[in-house]
Amino acid sequence: EIVLTQSPATLSLSPGERATLSCRASQSVSSYLAWYQQKPGQTPRLLIYDASNRATGIPARFSGSGSGTDFALTISSLEPEDFAVYYCQQRYNWPPTFGQGTKVEIK
Amino acid sequence: QEQLQESGPGLVTPSGTLSLTCAVSGGSISSSHWWTWVRQPPGKGLEWIGEIYHSGSTNYNPSLESRLTISVDKSKNQFSLKLRSVTAADTAVYYCARGRGWFDFWGQGTLVTVSS
Repeated sequence: EIVLTQSPATLSLSPGERATLSCRASQSVSSYLAWYQQKPGQTPRLLIYDASNRATGIPARFSGSGSGTDFALTISSLEPEDFAVYYCQQRYNWPPTFGQGTKVEIK
Repeated sequence: QEQLQESGPGLVTPSGTLSLTCAVSGGSISSSHWWTWVRQPPGKGLEWIGEIYHSGSTNYNPSLESRLTISVDKSKNQFSLKLRSVTAADTAVYYCARGRGWFDFWGQGTLVTVSS
């Protein structure tokens, strides 16, 4: 099973700032990595798939990069609605696995 | 746009069977999609449980496989999960979702508590 390690655990930023979240895989997942956003009490929302493709309806301020074992999710300018927990997930090896999450909180 | 809705008991006794159903609306369960279960223990991260195709083909998380059955009912446009011999560690919000690998539509989730 592939282990995904996300860092940092918590990111404290202000609206308008740039956020960069990291996800590292225990072995290569090629580009088979996705990012989800989850707000308290809500369902996870697919943001990015195949490392860098935005899902339908996702704003352009969200971008994904990386391949192999190191990936990043960047939010270019934080909006108030972006403060949430973000999870990475791989589908290169079965079973699909998720990272433990990064919480983006208001500073 | 498809919508998914989980249903089932919110409380299960230890050693019992957890049974949930996911109703799919706005689309056919017989479309070219896989249908998935994911769970999230309170305050923790996400765990993939397993998936099913409308043909009945399934894939399960090895950590749960010995206790797990996922089935599909095309006549009712729904799929189901049964997890046997549950313990407190199975307490979680259970989500159904669409997709294989990537999950683009999710149900609202249902909290299942394992307790006597």
